[in-house]
Amino acid sequence: EAQVTQNPRYLITVTGKKLTVTCSQNMNHEYMSWYRQDPGLGLRQIYYSMNVEVTDKGDVPEGYKVSRKEKRNFPLILESPSPNQTSLYFCASSSGYPISGYTFGSGTRLTVV
Amino acid sequence: AQSVTQPDIHITVSEGASLELRCNYSYGATPYLFWYVQSPGQGLQLLLKYFSGDTLVQGIKGFEAEFKRSQSSFNLRKPSVHWSDAAEYFCAVGAVSGGYNKLIFGAGTRLAVHP
Repeated sequence: EAQVTQNPRYLITVTGKKLTVTCSQNMNHEYMSWYRQDPGLGLRQIYYSMNVEVTDKGDVPEGYKVSRKEKRNFPLILESPSPNQTSLYFCASSSGYPISGYTFGSGTRLTVV
Repeated sequence: AQSVTQPDIHITVSEGASLELRCNYSYGATPYLFWYVQSPGQGLQLLLKYFSGDTLVQGIKGFEAEFKRSQSSFNLRKPSVHWSDAAEYFCAVGAVSGGYNKLIFGAGTRLAVHP
């Protein structure tokens, strides 16, 4: 089954404790992206990647890092999480053709206390 | 700049009633337009999409949307709502930025369905 898999689904952590949210896709997609979803703001892009070793900032990249060492994986790293990063995070992948849209993971709900 | 506006934050309808969710976009070129649905605790599922051709597009779960260039709108409709349609709905426009095809989302419309 074609899918994007994120882990963990839920995470509670403390301020400043580094964490990684993993994302993996099995569709051989070149494009991958991370979004955060906040009430009243919809989904905002954090980082994206057009291919292995090619990443760039989205609209809200502050406080986040990503890497793309393999085509299928695109982890999101919070090196020093803060409470304003409490949010629902989605990983998505795309073939790159505009009309194909994105396939989304099930989301990771992160709470930073 | 590209943007998507969903004017209705929250809508409540009765089961069996018709539904229309509004979406307006701002994009200089021919837009790629999408509607996604997010059920509680779930990821986003693609309902339908539009790029060219017939301006009335059919999607899954009995939804349809009509592209109106003159109004910069892409409203989602369903003739008869089911209780299982209660969810949050997101309109999005596909925009090219730095060679990358990104999705720009509206803030979402939360749909509640009365029995």
